[in-house]
Amino acid sequence: EPEVTQTPSHQVTQMGQEVILRCVPISNHLYFYWYRQILGQKVEFLVSFYNNEISEKSEIFDDQFSVERPDGSNFTLKIRSTKLEDSAMYFCASSLRTGKNIQYFGAGTRLSVL
Amino acid sequence: QKEVEQNSGPLSVPEGAIASLNCTYSDRGSQSFFWYRQYSGKSPELIMFIYSNGDKEDGRFTAQLNKASQYVSLLIRDSQPSDSATYLCAVFWDTGRRALTFGSGTRLQVQP
Repeated sequence: EPEVTQTPSHQVTQMGQEVILRCVPISNHLYFYWYRQILGQKVEFLVSFYNNEISEKSEIFDDQFSVERPDGSNFTLKIRSTKLEDSAMYFCASSLRTGKNIQYFGAGTRLSVL
Repeated sequence: QKEVEQNSGPLSVPEGAIASLNCTYSDRGSQSFFWYRQYSGKSPELIMFIYSNGDKEDGRFTAQLNKASQYVSLLIRDSQPSDSATYLCAVFWDTGRRALTFGSGTRLQVQP
């Protein structure tokens, strides 16, 4: 069964360092998303991506964040200068269409900023 | 501001019982509704989706939607200890932000 793949599963970094979280969406899906979940809190939307550009972004997705689809399979989230409060689980999701279409989630990357 | 509300629980039920999980949401705009299961430290896993008023059944799971009252529920019949997890209600509104808005989740404990 097709699945969304995320790497690494756990990333430890020092405050102020750049991190890149990687995702391989399901191959025929067209819409890609990043969500995050701080420990004990809700899953929160960060950004959606379609047709090689950002569709929408939340208030959390400030200038420190960027997304890219560098090739036909990978979808990346970059945090330029990590802060302690960026520590969270980051989930990538993809869907075939938007709207009434199911978003499938990857296993997540746990980001720990020290 | 579109909000999704869930009772955080824990909801404790004995094995074999019916577990009933509820979710309310703000804004009556056109929506799609999803129930995800999340085990501790893991990612959300889709259990059910429902788009129209009424009931939708899939195995031991039934999703119920009442748009007039702005609530959606998930019933789990013959609950098993393996059903113990946090159940996330998520809403996708067709207007405004086109992404899932999640509730905080209800933790379900099924006692053997």
